[in-house]
Amino acid sequence: AQKITQTQPGMFVQEKEAVTLDCTYDTSDPSYGLFWYKQPSSGEMIFLIYQGSYDQQNATEGRYSLNFQKARKSANLVISASQLGDSAMYFCAMREGVTGGGNKLTFGTGTQLKVEL
Amino acid sequence: DVKVTQSSRYLVKRTGEKVFLECVQDMDHENMFWYRQDPGLGLRLIYFSYDVKMKEKGDIPEGYSVSREKKERFSLILESASTNQTSMYLCASSRRLVLHTQYFGPGTRLTVL
Repeated sequence: AQKITQTQPGMFVQEKEAVTLDCTYDTSDPSYGLFWYKQPSSGEMIFLIYQGSYDQQNATEGRYSLNFQKARKSANLVISASQLGDSAMYFCAMREGVTGGGNKLTFGTGTQLKVEL
Repeated sequence: DVKVTQSSRYLVKRTGEKVFLECVQDMDHENMFWYRQDPGLGLRLIYFSYDVKMKEKGDIPEGYSVSREKKERFSLILESASTNQTSMYLCASSRRLVLHTQYFGPGTRLTVL
């Protein structure tokens, strides 16, 4: 079974609109972390936002927020006021557990976001 | 700023060649990782290392080996390159504490002919 599922291979959004990128995860570990990364066409992975499984509040970083619904095992990324520079591939990732393993991440297959004028 | 560098952005090799991909980070991170990225498959972990001379297999280690002789440098080795190893290779590093995110290099696009 996929540990991280991103069901939207591609998304379009109008500039200045908000957009939600979906991510669901599967784990039996009570302690885990969820990450979102952005990959522009240049190829470099850019860390956007982190949510811990015990965090009570949804994470926010500027225009990015993470809609964390633990019971549904979803961790959707919300980008407010989209900009042309937001056009990129977006990856959801999960780290399970807190011991050993050196902080391994499991990635989803990504969502290609295109922001239009 | 964290800086992770990779020795080449683009590399073309022939089937059967031995290929070295080098990764260097300048933030004294304990953990280092090698991923490959293929369309529709996302990033898949090949190997990682949480200390000098330590290594652990990731999800797809077959056909690869790694070396970590110094803390800042993590090398990925393709002993005998094959066409199915044509891919984008991404190196990452992080602090040992699990709450810390991974920082990525720019990637190496390897083509094996």
